[in-house]
Amino acid sequence: ETGVTQSPTHLIKTRGQQVTLRCSSQSGHNTVSWYQQALGQGPQFIFQYYREEENGRGNFPPRFSGLQFPNYSSELNVNALELDDSALYLCASSADLGSYNEQFFGPGTRLTVL
Amino acid sequence: AQRVTQPEKLLSVFKGAPVELKCNYSYSGSPELFWYVQYSRQRLQLLLRHISRESIKGFTADLNKGETSFHLKKPFAQEEDSAMYYCALSGRAGGGADGLTFGKGTHLIIQP
Repeated sequence: ETGVTQSPTHLIKTRGQQVTLRCSSQSGHNTVSWYQQALGQGPQFIFQYYREEENGRGNFPPRFSGLQFPNYSSELNVNALELDDSALYLCASSADLGSYNEQFFGPGTRLTVL
Repeated sequence: AQRVTQPEKLLSVFKGAPVELKCNYSYSGSPELFWYVQYSRQRLQLLLRHISRESIKGFTADLNKGETSFHLKKPFAQEEDSAMYYCALSGRAGGGADGLTFGKGTHLIIQP
């Protein structure tokens, strides 16, 4: 069984640029959630995708968008990058909707915005 | 709005001593509470959830709705318990999703 993978591991961008982060969910999982973890903070929920549709969203502006593909892998896109977007971005997959389904986390992508 | 508060950023105890990591939450409905753990150089992983009422690695946590708390306890700390611990709540954060609301975490250090 393959766990959640994320790419790239690290990324450096400048303010105003756009970035795409990728996540491969664990085998058999159809639900993907994205989180932003700033330094010294807990992860903060960005949004969740279920069977290629956005299923819910946290308190993030529209310049944070996502996609889920038929194989249930996912992308997080951030437009017009700001310095405060510098953070660790975590992807988590689960077998189905419902909080009783454990979320399995990837190792994260460290984004630095200069 | 839902919120999770972990008042201790850092907790240091000696091996063999009892451990209690505090977690308080704010939520208007019936939340589901979790403890996640991150060991050094490993990814975030689920430790336990209140609905299972189980003991994992000697840790237990009881949901106290009156005090809106979900403290994590272990009677005898071991060195391998040193890690970052996050309390999390699932309360349908935004639009019906199952996104987790995390606290800021407590860094637990077990001294030999």
